Amino acid sequence: KAGVTQTPRYLIKTRGQQVTLSCSPISGHRSVSWYQQTPGQGLQFLFEYFSETQRNKGNFPGRFSGRQFSNSRSEMNVSTLELGDSALYLCASSLIGGAWYNEQFFGPGTRLTVL
Amino acid sequence: DAKTTQPTSMDCAEGRAANLPCNHSTISGNEYVYWYRQIHSQGPQYIIHGLKNNETNEMASLIITEDRKSSTLILPHATLRDTAVYYCIVKGSSDMRFGAGTRLTVKP
Repeated sequence: KAGVTQTPRYLIKTRGQQVTLSCSPISGHRSVSWYQQTPGQGLQFLFEYFSETQRNKGNFPGRFSGRQFSNSRSEMNVSTLELGDSALYLCASSLIGGAWYNEQFFGPGTRLTVL
Repeated sequence: DAKTTQPTSMDCAEGRAANLPCNHSTISGNEYVYWYRQIHSQGPQYIIHGLKNNETNEMASLIITEDRKSSTLILPHATLRDTAVYYCIVKGSSDMRFGAGTRLTVKP
């Protein structure tokens, strides 16, 4: 079974631009979560989508948004990029998400650099 | 507010057991303890989870104290490939919040 895939793997943008990252979960998984990882802040939860609905949201500004499609694939968008948005963006999928026990499988991440 | 406390770093000799502690004194009765690890430049990898009983799988063992306020991840025979950042996470019905983790270095 193929793992979680994320595209692109690397991305360079300039301040003020916007970016869209894509995540394809493991086949059959309906929940997709997004995380931002930086050296200073570590791994921080962005949001979780399940059945095309955002179910949980972390403490990030409205410039960060996402969506999920009917095939469970998810995209996240960051508008008006800032230097501090440079990070590794990780996507994780799980069967149902949000439950008391729920193993998440992570993708390799997209490394975004904002110049 | 990751709800867990772990040592920043630990060393372990190759072939010896690595014991990684985690404090989660505010854990609720229905919250699970998860362990993940992240090897440099890769996404986190699931290791093991537990509620109140000790657990063992092919990768590791998880020992949870009776009061559930702390746990220990045991890698029985550490190899150089086990060098990674290990995250202890407490999770209930909501999202998974990662702390800073423990950087384990396995030395030859």
